[in-house]
Amino acid sequence: SQELEQSPQSLIVQEGKNLTINCTSSKTLYGLYWYKQKYGEGLIFLMMLQKGGEEKSHEKITAKLDEKKQQSSLHITASQPSHAGIYLCGASHNAGNNRKLIWGLGTSLAVNP
Amino acid sequence: KAGVTQTPRYLIKTRGQQVTLSCSPISGHRSVSWYQQTPGQGLQFLFEYFSETQRNKGNFPGRFSGRQFSNSRSEMNVSTLELGDSALYLCASSDHRTSIVLHSYNEQFFGPGTRLTVL
Repeated sequence: SQELEQSPQSLIVQEGKNLTINCTSSKTLYGLYWYKQKYGEGLIFLMMLQKGGEEKSHEKITAKLDEKKQQSSLHITASQPSHAGIYLCGASHNAGNNRKLIWGLGTSLAVNP
Repeated sequence: KAGVTQTPRYLIKTRGQQVTLSCSPISGHRSVSWYQQTPGQGLQFLFEYFSETQRNKGNFPGRFSGRQFSNSRSEMNVSTLELGDSALYLCASSDHRTSIVLHSYNEQFFGPGTRLTVL
């Protein structure tokens, strides 16, 4: 099984709706990254979370890290077609080495206008 | 600053051949990581180079190798290609200021990738 599970695998929402994507780790998290990918292209950095309870926002996207649950959530408010893409979470499971990241399989998001 | 560039963008090879992919990091970035992305396995870490030295390695067979040059540009090579090597290969650069501290949280900037198809 994946060390980093993302849910849901795919999501279709109507423009203007809110949505949440989860990333759950089977091991202790030492740093968690959220990236967005357009199909077949490179990844665009969204946010990085380091400490339990940490919450960061950028425009209409908010990410939180729950250290106890070993989980992070990405919340998009009032979704727009420009939010469509694949959202990937990446994490380090090694306290001494945060440059070797494990990745989830991604959540594919479609936003219908 | 120019972003991370990868060449070629698309490549078609046959089984048994070898391939070399190139990555030019953002100017000033000394760390380059390589990833393989497939629909079934997702994004998997191949290796990371810093100052011409391999610092981290993923769980890939020895057919996958890489190197980094003094200008931080990196190449990865896959020998004896197999059908399962068909994937999007992504490289990412980051601004890790020290070669010693691995415990650093830095944003990785990704290139557009090279899509390799093995027939």
